[in-house]
Amino acid sequence: KNEVEQSPQNLTAQEGEFITINCSYSVGISALHWLQQHPGGGIVSLFMLSSGKKKHGRLIATINIQEKHSSLHITASHPRDSAVYICAVENIGGTDKLIFGTGTRLQVFP
Amino acid sequence: DVKVTQSSRYLVKRTGEKVFLECVQDMDHENMFWYRQDPGLGLRLIYFSYDVKMKEKGDIPEGYSVSREKKERFSLILESASTNQTSMYLCASSSRDRGFVQPQHFGDGTRLSIL
Repeated sequence: KNEVEQSPQNLTAQEGEFITINCSYSVGISALHWLQQHPGGGIVSLFMLSSGKKKHGRLIATINIQEKHSSLHITASHPRDSAVYICAVENIGGTDKLIFGTGTRLQVFP
Repeated sequence: DVKVTQSSRYLVKRTGEKVFLECVQDMDHENMFWYRQDPGLGLRLIYFSYDVKMKEKGDIPEGYSVSREKKERFSLILESASTNQTSMYLCASSSRDRGFVQPQHFGDGTRLSIL
């Protein structure tokens, strides 16, 4: 079993829909990251959080440490949000390495 | 803005060749990482380095080596390329701010094909 599990693996949506991507992990963590990868390869960091909730524009990330679960929400989705979204965690007490989920492929249609 | 530059976007090599993938970052980051990304498997860590001349094995180091002679440059070496090393390779760097790890910054990736 992977230490970081994401669901769903694939997601399609119509423009304007509210989207939720889930991440569950089985290890103790010091922080959780959400990353975005567009076709072509480049990966950018969206959020790093260790508790509560963070918001940036139409993106919201939440984390529940007790339940070992995080969600990434996209409000008013747009075709340019189409990308792979990756959850990654920093293992508590470990080095600066990340443990990655396998990603959620999102396609938003006009 | 942090810039992580990988030397090639696409590379085609032959089985048995020695292959060098170069990565340069311009923000004086202590940590640098090499990953490979394969469909359905996500990002897997090959090697990382937390300082010049320091290196640690990641999850899949077999068939690879690394070099970090200068802080800004981290090289991945495929000693004798094999077809199962055909993959997307991503370099990343990160720093610590007051003891806390900061997000990793990624290069655009090198899509390597071994024929």
